[in-house]
Amino acid sequence: GQNIDQPTEMTATEGAIVQINCTYQTSGFNGLFWYQQHAGEAPTFLSYNVLDGLEEKGRFSSFLSRSKGYSYLLLKELQMKDSASYLCAPSGGYQKVTFGTGTKLQVIP
Amino acid sequence: GAVVSQHPSWVICKSGTSVKIECRSLDFQATTMFWYRQFPKQSLMLMATSNEGSKATYEQGVEKDKFLINHASLTLSTLTVTSAHPEDSSFYICSARDPSGSDEQFFGPGTRLTVL
Repeated sequence: GQNIDQPTEMTATEGAIVQINCTYQTSGFNGLFWYQQHAGEAPTFLSYNVLDGLEEKGRFSSFLSRSKGYSYLLLKELQMKDSASYLCAPSGGYQKVTFGTGTKLQVIP
Repeated sequence: GAVVSQHPSWVICKSGTSVKIECRSLDFQATTMFWYRQFPKQSLMLMATSNEGSKATYEQGVEKDKFLINHASLTLSTLTVTSAHPEDSSFYICSARDPSGSDEQFFGPGTRLTVL
C-alpha cells in the first residue's frame, strides 16, 4: 500500500522561502510528483523527481531521497498567488500515482 | 503541453438518476486515462484506470457496476455514475498519461457533481 505524510497547513510571508516536506512509503516506486491545486480546481504539475537530489525550476525546487522515502518542495520569493494546496504524489507500481492529503499553504502580506 | 478536457464542468442531478462525464485528450492519443474523486478537504482518490479497448481496472472499494467506465477511443473516456445518491456528490477529475512515455499525468479541469 501507499502511505504519504505531509503537513496539513503552513503559513508564510510574501517574499519569503517555504519548504514543504513529504515522507512516503510505497509498494514500488518510480518517482515523485509535486502538484499545485487551487481550491475548486484540478491539480497542475510542478515537478517530477526520479533520481536523488535537487531539481530547480524557477522559483520552485524539489528534492528527493529515495533511500529515506523523503521529498521536499521549496518555494522561493513567495507571491500571494502561491496560496494553494501542494500535493506530494509518489508514482508506484503499475505507474499509479497516489496523492497525499496535501499541504495548504497560506501566503500572507 | 498536452491538454485534457472534461464535460460538463458541473452538473446537478436528482437522486436515482445517472450522470455521464466525458474526458477527452485534445491534442494527443491516450491509451490510458485515470479517474479520480476528491471530497472536500480530502486528497484525490484514484477510482479506476481506463484502458482503451479493454475493461477498466477499479481500485479496491469502488463499485464497478455503479461507476461505469468506457474508453472507446484513444481520445475519449467516459465515467457514468449510475443511480446517483447524495453521497456521490464530489469533484471528479480525469487524467491522461503523457504520450511521450513519462509518468507525468495531465489533468482535466474536473467535474463537480451535486446530487440532490
